[in-house]
Amino acid sequence: GNSVTQMEGPVTLSEEAFLTINCTYTATGYPSLFWYVQYPGEGLQLLLKATKADDKGSNKGFEATYRKETTSFHLEKGSVQVSDSAVYFCALKGYGGSQGNLIFGKGTKLSVKP
Amino acid sequence: ETGVTQSPTHLIKTRGQQVTLRCSSQSGHNTVSWYQQALGQGPQFIFQYYREEENGRGNFPPRFSGLQFPNYSSELNVNALELDDSALYLCASSGGWGDEQYFGPGTRLTVT
Repeated sequence: GNSVTQMEGPVTLSEEAFLTINCTYTATGYPSLFWYVQYPGEGLQLLLKATKADDKGSNKGFEATYRKETTSFHLEKGSVQVSDSAVYFCALKGYGGSQGNLIFGKGTKLSVKP
Repeated sequence: ETGVTQSPTHLIKTRGQQVTLRCSSQSGHNTVSWYQQALGQGPQFIFQYYREEENGRGNFPPRFSGLQFPNYSSELNVNALELDDSALYLCASSGGWGDEQYFGPGTRLTVT
């Protein structure tokens, strides 16, 4: 079945450091891939998405490229801020029938120190 | 445009009781999906409703049931609550079953 594996946290960085959170997936066909962010005490917000191979999703300085050959969708940011502290979830969505639901990884908690 | 809202924000129930959680979808959306997020875990898909019909279900027992109303709002009902049902329950709405999902803030359920 479809699944998502992302690097375990927590990840602690200093402000302005480079961020990478690894995400790999297993899926049949050509899923869409997403990164969601969850701030403390809140629901999920869509951060970025990519719907086909080699697409790059980007938002608020975050980027991720859909790599079909390595089944990966790693999240990167060149310079993190304290306000980026949150839990980040990688997710995929298949197609057809009941595959419209999202399948999430376990989440990676990011803490950014000033 | 009003986003996805959920009620209540928090509630505490006793094992064996029943609970109903509510979700109002974003304006113009006809699909609602429910997810369970245990502490420290990613959300797990419970089921999805599209135009008042169940349109897919995850690996949850039948005591998890739902409804979608003509205005596309939705309810999640859980019978015979167990301690492991303690979690954040998230509702997401979308314009169609395969479209982008927008999440509400969640309902935190504690079962004692």
